Amino acid sequence: DTAVSQTPKYLVTQMGNDKSIKCEQNLGHDTMYWYKQDSKKFLKIMFSYNNKELIINETVPNRFSPKSPDKAHLNLHINSLELGDSAVYFCASSQDPSSNIQYFGAGTRLSVL
Amino acid sequence: DQQVKQNSPSLSVQEGRISILNCDYTNSMFDYFLWYKKYPAEGPTFLISISSIKDKNEDGRFTVFLNKSAKHLSLHIVPSQPGDSAVYFCAASVSGTYKYIFGTGTRLKVLA
Repeated sequence: DTAVSQTPKYLVTQMGNDKSIKCEQNLGHDTMYWYKQDSKKFLKIMFSYNNKELIINETVPNRFSPKSPDKAHLNLHINSLELGDSAVYFCASSQDPSSNIQYFGAGTRLSVL
Repeated sequence: DQQVKQNSPSLSVQEGRISILNCDYTNSMFDYFLWYKKYPAEGPTFLISISSIKDKNEDGRFTVFLNKSAKHLSLHIVPSQPGDSAVYFCAASVSGTYKYIFGTGTRLKVLA
């Protein structure tokens, strides 16, 4: 039973399309995150939610909109996809914002053509 | 601005020998550091951490050393095993910011 699961694992789409990536955690954690790993392998935080409230919002284009319907789910919607959005997106969760250990999903590889 | 750097993209080590993975940082405000391990097609998993009040933390075969004056940390794996072959990321944080800055990873290959 996967602790942090994200779907889909792979996503291939055309420029200009809108797509969503879903994330669910069954660890009972309060805090969830989205990270982007680009072609240079940098793993950068994009957003963090604690109990459905946004607590971290890095400099990310507003085409990216996270949504947390409950504390076990954090979805990422991307509008008007661009070539530069191609990356691996990781979801993660932690007990609370001050917890040092984060649990990661397996990643979603997004390819924008 | 790359605040956390792992300058060796890859490392090969013979089974049974010591693996030493290095990480440098530029922000002197960082006070907590972690190492994560990542297998292909999986997400990173937590391995070991160290607070800036310590200079060493040990967990079984894994030891992390922190040199604050040099802004350098290293992960030692002794003895190395083939199952240790993975990408290792170091990450650093400033308390209260709730976010970690990751390095680009070092791919370790342990040869049987």
